[in-house]
Amino acid sequence: AQSVTQLGSHVSVSEGALVLLRCNYSSSVPPYLFWYVQYPNQGLQLLLKYTTGATLVKGINGFEAEFKKSETSFHLTKPSAHMSDAAEYFCAVISPSFGNEKLTFGTGTRLTIIP
Amino acid sequence: EAQVTQNPRYLITVTGKKLTVTCSQNMNHEYMSWYRQDPGLGLRQIYYSMNVEVTDKGDVPEGYKVSRKEKRNFPLILESPSPNQTSLYFCASSRTILSYNEQFFGPGTRLTVL
Repeated sequence: AQSVTQLGSHVSVSEGALVLLRCNYSSSVPPYLFWYVQYPNQGLQLLLKYTTGATLVKGINGFEAEFKKSETSFHLTKPSAHMSDAAEYFCAVISPSFGNEKLTFGTGTRLTIIP
Repeated sequence: EAQVTQNPRYLITVTGKKLTVTCSQNMNHEYMSWYRQDPGLGLRQIYYSMNVEVTDKGDVPEGYKVSRKEKRNFPLILESPSPNQTSLYFCASSRTILSYNEQFFGPGTRLTVL
């Protein structure tokens, strides 16, 4: 079984401040991990993903995330928030096993940027 | 332009009136999936399809049907909608079933069942 926990359904940061969105996962096998962003009235867009290899993953729009196996975490960060970053962010996990490639999502974190 | 399209984008209906939400992708993707998004619950998978004529249940399949007769299309059918199916629905596709392939999402269909 696999699951994702996103701590904080709402996060507010000031423009220019560090963005930190938390994600913890559980998986019976080494997972693949994803962050998706959803802008108002739009579908989801992939920000970044971790499959294998380097544990620090860089994505679009200046976001990055680090896979920490010992902490079962995949937190999303951005050094300096921009107004355009206001959106809902979803962490997701797949436990790779042939024939069962279900993507399990967290409940989402709504990011608000304070001018 | 590579995309996943859904129709309609908004739908208000009444309990028991059959409806179909269409989904189409132009990327020749093998894998397609339907999700519903509800506040506080994130996205939950309804059904998925690994290829033409191959479909399987996700986490919340009750009350829904799907079909995959053509590679590009994956309609979601509600035979007898009920108010608890009021939700925001997303269709998604990816190149293959393999995990590392990015899923592309449609713009969503907001369904209200009265």
